[in-house]
Amino acid sequence: GAVVSQHPSWVICKSGTSVKIECRSLDFQATTMFWYRQFPKQSLMLMATSNEGSKATYEQGVEKDKFLINHASLTLSTLTVTSAHPEDSSFYICSANTEIAGAWTDTQYFGPGTRLTVL
Amino acid sequence: EDKVVQSPLSLVVHEGDTVTLNCSYEVTNFRSLLWYKQEKKAPTFLFMLTSSGIEKKSGRLSSILDKKELFSILNITATQTGDSAVYLCAGRGSQGNLIFGKGTKLSVKP
Repeated sequence: GAVVSQHPSWVICKSGTSVKIECRSLDFQATTMFWYRQFPKQSLMLMATSNEGSKATYEQGVEKDKFLINHASLTLSTLTVTSAHPEDSSFYICSANTEIAGAWTDTQYFGPGTRLTVL
Repeated sequence: EDKVVQSPLSLVVHEGDTVTLNCSYEVTNFRSLLWYKQEKKAPTFLFMLTSSGIEKKSGRLSSILDKKELFSILNITATQTGDSAVYLCAGRGSQGNLIFGKGTKLSVKP
């Protein structure tokens, strides 16, 4: 149980185009989803936290207008990289957690990641 | 189906104890295994293991990979309260995809 999927797993696009990455919780309702970017040397940076039905909370230094996050349902959050440039090339990972019996759990279930390459 | 299983799910120890966290994996076209420590926001990278039998160390933490038996362990010696966190392991496939385990929640009591 508690599977999180991402789509696509790998995307190559031209500079200036927009790319949408989906994050789905397959067998549970995700009240909160997190978006991370992986940098060289494997470090992960939290980009934003999204709660279903409300605006995402972005971390300092992350451009809201460039990285659009929509958490429209309890099983789907999307990250859209607008006007992508080569420096946006990276590995983007989402994770999700949920409530059990009304209590928020701190267990995060991670997706497999999406590799974005911008030419 | 790719999967990574960590055990135990939760562990409570006292300061000074040594702990061993386990991670077994089944990852198609396996390339490497990564360990992270998650306290608050983003998981902090600890180790990346690609070769069997070579121990990686960082202070009181060490990790080793067994590619024959498909598992890795993370050891923490002389634990401190600051080691309390969720420890995640993830297997990486050749496409770059990461398969995370559900984590081991470690609580170190004074």
